[in-house]
Amino acid sequence: NAGVTQTPKFRILKIGQSMTLQCTQDMNHNYMYWYRQDPGMGLKLIYYSVGAGITDKGEVPNGYNVSRSTTEDFPLRLELAAPSQTSVYFCASRDGTAINTEAFFGQGTRLTVV
Amino acid sequence: RKEVEQDPGPFNVPEGATVAFNCTYSNSASQSFFWYRQDCRKEPKLLMSVYSSGNEDGRFTAQLNRASQYISLLIRDSKLSDSATYLCVVNRLGSGGYQKVTFGTGTKLQVIP
Repeated sequence: NAGVTQTPKFRILKIGQSMTLQCTQDMNHNYMYWYRQDPGMGLKLIYYSVGAGITDKGEVPNGYNVSRSTTEDFPLRLELAAPSQTSVYFCASRDGTAINTEAFFGQGTRLTVV
Repeated sequence: RKEVEQDPGPFNVPEGATVAFNCTYSNSASQSFFWYRQDCRKEPKLLMSVYSSGNEDGRFTAQLNRASQYISLLIRDSKLSDSATYLCVVNRLGSGGYQKVTFGTGTKLQVIP
């Protein structure tokens, strides 16, 4: 059971570079989420999607973009990387057909911007 | 005011102790509740759901108090392996009819030999 798969696991970017963090899930979940977690801090929601073609901003969307062209994939794009984007990024998915379903997380992508 | 609030800790307890965490939520329309566990540098994973009547899973007991809008997690006979951060999670319907999932910032537990 693959669940939620994130790639890459680690990445070092130079200031101003761009990259895409990949996230795919094989559970046919309609809801997908991107969070960032700074050291010693809680999860902060960047973007979420309630289904293919539908995305919306979370609490910290600036500097990021997302797309959801398929149910399985929810890539996160960083444009013009800044040191403030150094963080661990988690993708999650859940079955939104009921309110009481759990979220499943990927293993995270550790990003350093230098 | 944050929608979900937790005491960040850390809670430092000896092995074998009983420890309890509380989490308060601000929106009375909240419908489902969970405790997640996050180990250092790992992804969060579901520990247990929280049901209205309270529920138990081995050494772990979760309670929900809708009137006072809080949930609790009780860990009995703490083990070293219980050391982790415990996240409170609340689901409700948000604007537009979509579901909103809110994570607390977590309570850190350190079990000491």
